[in-house]
Amino acid sequence: GENVEQHPSTLSVQEGDSAVIKCTYSDSASNYFPWYKQELGKRPQLIIDIRSNVGEKKDQRIAVTLNKTAKHFSLHITETQPEDSAVYFCAASLNTGGFKTIFGAGTRLFVKA
Amino acid sequence: DVKVTQSSRYLVKRTGEKVFLECVQDMDHENMFWYRQDPGLGLRLIYFSYDVKMKEKGDIPEGYSVSREKKERFSLILESASTNQTSMYLCAFQRGNEQFFGPGTRLTVL
Repeated sequence: GENVEQHPSTLSVQEGDSAVIKCTYSDSASNYFPWYKQELGKRPQLIIDIRSNVGEKKDQRIAVTLNKTAKHFSLHITETQPEDSAVYFCAASLNTGGFKTIFGAGTRLFVKA
Repeated sequence: DVKVTQSSRYLVKRTGEKVFLECVQDMDHENMFWYRQDPGLGLRLIYFSYDVKMKEKGDIPEGYSVSREKKERFSLILESASTNQTSMYLCAFQRGNEQFFGPGTRLTVL
């Protein structure tokens, strides 16, 4: 069945450094790739997404890239801050009515002050 | 502001008990989901529903059932709870491409 693999499972960076989280997906029909952030004790929330007709998207300090040929997509966080510490989930889905979203296992990011 | 609520934040049940987890959304959205979240496994889809009285199995439906009698309410049922169902359960609804999650119910089965 469909699968999304996410790496690394844990990432620790110094404040101000960059963080990169990588995902691969198995279903070549997937065309929508959201990223969710879950802070400790809180619910996951969408932070950025990318569609298959776009190779890169940026929103302030976060950016996502997509390589459809390789079925890879990545989240890049620059100038990390302590409040970036959270679990990040990548996901892949097929954009049809009522589509199903497959989530990665999550990456726990620690930003050390 | 979107709102999705779950009936309990914490729940402790005994093996063999029947367990109901309730989820309510106030935005009249059709698509609703139940996930369980376990360390190292991420969010795994148990069941989802496209509309009232409609349900579809997700990736791990075994041991669970669901009920969608009203559009705003989507219930997850554990017919006979087992210890391996101890987990965090998250309900969500979908608006456009985005999923909005409830606060979660941490269920412990003793």
